[in-house]
Amino acid sequence: GIQVEQSPPDLILQEGANSTLRCNFSDSVNNLQWFHQNPWGQLINLFYIPSGTKQNGRLSATTVATERYSLLYISSSQTTDSGVYFCAADNSGGYQKVTFGTGTKLQVIP
Amino acid sequence: DAGVTQSPTHLIKTRGQQVTLRCSPISGHKSVSWYQQVLGQGPQFIFQYYEKEERGRGNFPDRFSARQFPNYSSELNVNALLLGDSALYLCASSFGGSGANVLTFGAGSRLTVL
Repeated sequence: GIQVEQSPPDLILQEGANSTLRCNFSDSVNNLQWFHQNPWGQLINLFYIPSGTKQNGRLSATTVATERYSLLYISSSQTTDSGVYFCAADNSGGYQKVTFGTGTKLQVIP
Repeated sequence: DAGVTQSPTHLIKTRGQQVTLRCSPISGHKSVSWYQQVLGQGPQFIFQYYEKEERGRGNFPDRFSARQFPNYSSELNVNALLLGDSALYLCASSFGGSGANVLTFGAGSRLTVL
């Protein structure tokens, strides 16, 4: 199956700083999503981005499918951005079998 | 509109017991998937159901089973519980059944096995 790797595993930021999270995947994908998991365990969908670039407020994401990586950009970070960010990919075709990376744990300090 | 709802939110069982977890998808969504998340790791795929049929199964033992009902809600059953089954169990729904669909997750059911 597809392999998904994320870096860095841990990140500490001062409030207001910018950051880039990276996701590498081992095969072509038909689904690439970024999620934010809050301290209570809820997975919030940030982007569905199998290719191209999208922006939503202070967050943006870019997936370069031909080079098998995706980037999540967080600008002007806030303490509420803290949590774990997961990249998840699927290349299973006619059904869903999403593979998650190991996540990036982000802590934003005031 | 309600999102994906899961119940119960927390439960405690002892080794050898059986547990049933429930999931209601977003209205109009026909696919439900189940994931297990052990502390410190990313979620792992267990099952996908679409239009009441099993579409995919992850690398989990036969103690894990699931079904989907005519209203597209789903149940995950785990028999003969082991300590290692302690985890957050997440349900996701999507409109279509293929991989090229946005997954929306519920808040999860946190299972503790003693």
